[in-house]
Amino acid sequence: DAGVTQSPTHLIKTRGQQVTLRCSPISGHKSVSWYQQVLGQGPQFIFQYYEKEERGRGNFPDRFSARQFPNYSSELNVNALLLGDSALYLCASSAAARAFSGNTIYFGEGSWLTVV
Amino acid sequence: AQSVTQPDIHITVSEGASLELRCNYSYGATPYLFWYVQSPGQGLQLLLKYFSGDTLVQGIKGFEAEFKRSQSSFNLRKPSVHWSDAAEYFCAVGEESGYSTLTFGKGTMLLVSP
Repeated sequence: DAGVTQSPTHLIKTRGQQVTLRCSPISGHKSVSWYQQVLGQGPQFIFQYYEKEERGRGNFPDRFSARQFPNYSSELNVNALLLGDSALYLCASSAAARAFSGNTIYFGEGSWLTVV
Repeated sequence: AQSVTQPDIHITVSEGASLELRCNYSYGATPYLFWYVQSPGQGLQLLLKYFSGDTLVQGIKGFEAEFKRSQSSFNLRKPSVHWSDAAEYFCAVGEESGYSTLTFGKGTMLLVSP
């Protein structure tokens, strides 16, 4: 079975542009979460979606948005890119909204975003 | 709010020697605790997790971790390190309060010398 898949793997954008990152969860998983990992830091929570609804949001500006589709795949959008948005963006999936109780959360390989 | 401290940014261990990576957390209730490993340019792989019960948890690749409530610690150990263990290790605490979120430490980079 395929794991969590993310695309694109790498991309370079210019300041002020917009970017869309995509994630396909493990088959049967209905919850998708997004994390940002800046170089030299641990990942930081951005969003959790479950059954197409936003369940939680971390401390990120409104330039960050996401959505989940009927097939449970998800997109993360970042508008008006800043140099500080350069990071590895990780997608994670789990079977249920409560990702830890009796479940396991699985991470994808990530999308490397460089803003120049 | 929960937080995780990994006091060692880098650790160098000789191949075959034992390893202990430190992790301290701050959380009000009984935490969900995790250790992840990240190889260069890769995503996160779960090594082990603690929810409740036995405080000594066995994971993959020969790793284990011990939960000590009195010390708010969840240290990762391995009796004999292999060169392939060189990677970055992250400790995380999980919270479920309407939604599920992981709070990670800043990571410890493990270097393995021959």
